[in-house]
Amino acid sequence: GESVGLHLPTLSVQEGDNSIINCAYSNSASDYFIWYKQESGKGPQFIIDIRSNMDKRQGQRVTVLLNKTVKHLSLQIAATQPGDSAVYFCAEKTGANSKLTFGKGITLSVRP
Amino acid sequence: DVKVTQSSRYLVKRTGEKVFLECVQDMDHENMFWYRQDPGLGLRLIYFSYDVKMKEKGDIPEGYSVSREKKERFSLILESASTNQTSMYLCASSLPQGGYTEAFFGQGTRLTVV
Repeated sequence: GESVGLHLPTLSVQEGDNSIINCAYSNSASDYFIWYKQESGKGPQFIIDIRSNMDKRQGQRVTVLLNKTVKHLSLQIAATQPGDSAVYFCAEKTGANSKLTFGKGITLSVRP
Repeated sequence: DVKVTQSSRYLVKRTGEKVFLECVQDMDHENMFWYRQDPGLGLRLIYFSYDVKMKEKGDIPEGYSVSREKKERFSLILESASTNQTSMYLCASSLPQGGYTEAFFGQGTRLTVV
């Protein structure tokens, strides 16, 4: 079946280093891909999205890369800070009703 | 700021009880969603609604129903709570557009069924 998944369950990085969080998807009909961040005790919060007709999109300290050939999505965080510690979810949207399918999530832990 | 408010942060209910989880949003969004979040499984869509009195099943609707009588309120109902429905429940809302619009989430309700 169609699914969105993450390669690694946890990622530990040194403060100041760059982080790369990866995600695989299988639904080639998805037209948007989104990254969410969930801090402890809170609901997921939007970080950045990318349309399926784009390869790269940059935000503040974050970059999302989309490789449709291998159905791979990544989130790059520059100069990772302690406040970046959270669970990160990738999600894909298919169809016109904004229904999102989420991956399983990966925990990012930032070492001081 | 968009606000999605879930009525309870924590709930403890007994097996067989009828449980209501309430969600209210203040941004006049047409779309509203209920997800459950379990470790290792991510967020799974239970039901969603794209208009008042409209609802559609998500990926795991069994054992749940929903109600959308007013645009700002979307209720999730567990007809007869079971222990396997112990989970974190998340409500979200978004505007309806052909492309993607950001979904805003509530803080979650952690439900324990004993």
